[in-house]
Amino acid sequence: KAGVTQTPRYLIKTRGQQVTLSCSPISGHRSVSWYQQTPGQGLQFLFEYFSETQRNKGNFPGRFSGRQFSNSRSEMNVSTLELGDSALYLCASSLAGGGDYGYTFGSGTRLTVV
Amino acid sequence: AQSVSQHNHHVILSEAASLELGCNYSYGGTVNLFWYVQYPGQHLQLLLKYFSGDPLVKGIKGFEAEFIKSKFSFNLRKPSVQWSDTAEYFCAVNAAGGYQKVTFGTGTKLQVIP
Repeated sequence: KAGVTQTPRYLIKTRGQQVTLSCSPISGHRSVSWYQQTPGQGLQFLFEYFSETQRNKGNFPGRFSGRQFSNSRSEMNVSTLELGDSALYLCASSLAGGGDYGYTFGSGTRLTVV
Repeated sequence: AQSVSQHNHHVILSEAASLELGCNYSYGGTVNLFWYVQYPGQHLQLLLKYFSGDPLVKGIKGFEAEFIKSKFSFNLRKPSVQWSDTAEYFCAVNAAGGYQKVTFGTGTKLQVIP
């Protein structure tokens, strides 16, 4: 079966702009989690969606938001971009949550803010 | 809230050497524990997981990890590493039950020299 698909793979944005990233989970997976990966910080949890509802949220400012659609596809949005938002954004798909059987990760979206 | 510490940031080994990567977590309750691996240019993938039962868990590619509850540790081991094990390894934890978020450590980069 197809893996987790994240689009786009690369993005370059200017400070102050906003960006939307997309994630299509594995078919049948209803949970989608988002992480920010930066060198030295590892993976920082952004949020998790399950059946179109945000179930868990990390410690990121309100500029970071997300949503999930009825087909389990998820989007995350970052408004008013800052230089520090440059990172690899990872989407992780699971049946019911990352702690059940573990995640399947996408390849990520590399966001560069200039 | 739970947290994870991986004290070794960068490990260099020669082929055939034994490997042990440290992972300590902080959480007072029951946990699920994971090790993920990220090979160069590839996405994160699950190496092994512990939910309950036998504290010695075997994963893919000859890796194993031991859960020591009294030490809050879940160290990753492999008796003899290969050049192809060069990768970044992440330990992760989540509180068992209730679909809690998964918290990752900052990762350990393993470099295996032929």
